[in-house]
Amino acid sequence: SQQGEEDPQALSIQEGENATMNCSYKTSINNLQWYRQNSGRGLVHLILIRSNEREKHSGRLRVTLDTSKKSSSLLITASRAADTASYFCATDGSSNYKLTFGKGTLLTVNP
Amino acid sequence: DGGITQSPKYLFRKEGQNVTLSCEQNLNHDAMYWYRQDPGQGLRLIYYSQIVNDFQKGDIAEGYSVSREKKESFPLTVTSAQKNPTAFYLCASSKGERQPQHFGDGTRLSIL
Repeated sequence: SQQGEEDPQALSIQEGENATMNCSYKTSINNLQWYRQNSGRGLVHLILIRSNEREKHSGRLRVTLDTSKKSSSLLITASRAADTASYFCATDGSSNYKLTFGKGTLLTVNP
Repeated sequence: DGGITQSPKYLFRKEGQNVTLSCEQNLNHDAMYWYRQDPGQGLRLIYYSQIVNDFQKGDIAEGYSVSREKKESFPLTVTSAQKNPTAFYLCASSKGERQPQHFGDGTRLSIL
């Protein structure tokens, strides 16, 4: 079964609004990563947060991690039409190399 | 620019045919991966390789084979034993364990 599950499955917002996506996972992790995928393209790494970190920022992205609830959230502030994409969380679990991806959140930012 | 190149972008397979998907990286990464993505789904790991001449099965290795003879190259063969090969195949690489993965732009495989 998949480790990470994103919520919501789809999100539609207006340009300039903030977008929040959530990820829940089942077993303990070392790292949690967020990726973006534009339609028909490969994934692009956005941010990695370690299990001993609670919050991390990168530009307009803010990621939080709550290991007690086994959940993470990705906040995109002041969204742009170019942010339209699918967003995936990925967890590493007990394996040093294997990542387990959720099904993703499809974000649509309307101009 | 460093990156991962997958080819071809589109591939069609006939019944009973094996096809090979190419993946080349010039990032000097030790680890490489193959994933399968079905519509509306996340990625599922087929095979991964931590180092040249070594590879391990992922979660859905049946019907697939790989080789890692060079650091830069990790080709995936979809054999005739894979009965449902239609999917989007993504190759990735990373510097090492628990590191961010860099992805190619995928190969879309369909059945004729």
